[in-house]
Amino acid sequence: AQSVSQHNHHVILSEAASLELGCNYSYGGTVNLFWYVQYPGQHLQLLLKYFSGDPLVKGIKGFEAEFIKSKFSFNLRKPSVQWSDTAEYFCAVNRDDKIIFGKGTRLHILP
Amino acid sequence: KAGVTQTPRYLIKTRGQQVTLSCSPISGHRSVSWYQQTPGQGLQFLFEYFSETQRNKGNFPGRFSGRQFSNSRSEMNVSTLELGDSALYLCASSSLTTNTEAFFGQGTRLTVV
Repeated sequence: AQSVSQHNHHVILSEAASLELGCNYSYGGTVNLFWYVQYPGQHLQLLLKYFSGDPLVKGIKGFEAEFIKSKFSFNLRKPSVQWSDTAEYFCAVNRDDKIIFGKGTRLHILP
Repeated sequence: KAGVTQTPRYLIKTRGQQVTLSCSPISGHRSVSWYQQTPGQGLQFLFEYFSETQRNKGNFPGRFSGRQFSNSRSEMNVSTLELGDSALYLCASSSLTTNTEAFFGQGTRLTVV
């Protein structure tokens, strides 16, 4: 079945550590890719998106993601996390006029 | 520009009842999607409406239905509620279906007892 897979369900890091959250999708052809973030008690917000062009995209708050077409991956990275990055992160694919989400990764940053 | 507005924010219903949730998209947005968010299943796509027509539907039973009005506002209805329907229901709007992101509301927290 076509899907979006996030490898880690729960990640715990210390402040200043580097972050990489994995995301793979199984859709062929052209896709639009997103990472959304949900801070505690807040609504989903867009972190970054990829539609075309440079496969390395930069988003808000120092996040970036790399689209690797051959690996069907769109991993999220941040070189140095902060306590305020504690949130749930969702990878998503826009395909055939609907956005399909991964199950999310809960990120907990220790101060 | 006002964001996506969902009402009510919280709802408690008993098994067997029905419920209607409302979503007002960002002004000018014609696409509205609904999602169910639960701790175990994450965000699951319910359906998407564009210009009053349902264009996409997820794998939910027929108890889940929706509609969109001419002003793009949307409602979703769940009939014969079950305990497992307890979840956060999110609405998202977008101006186009491709090359734009979806903007989400705060959600409606439905608890079925």
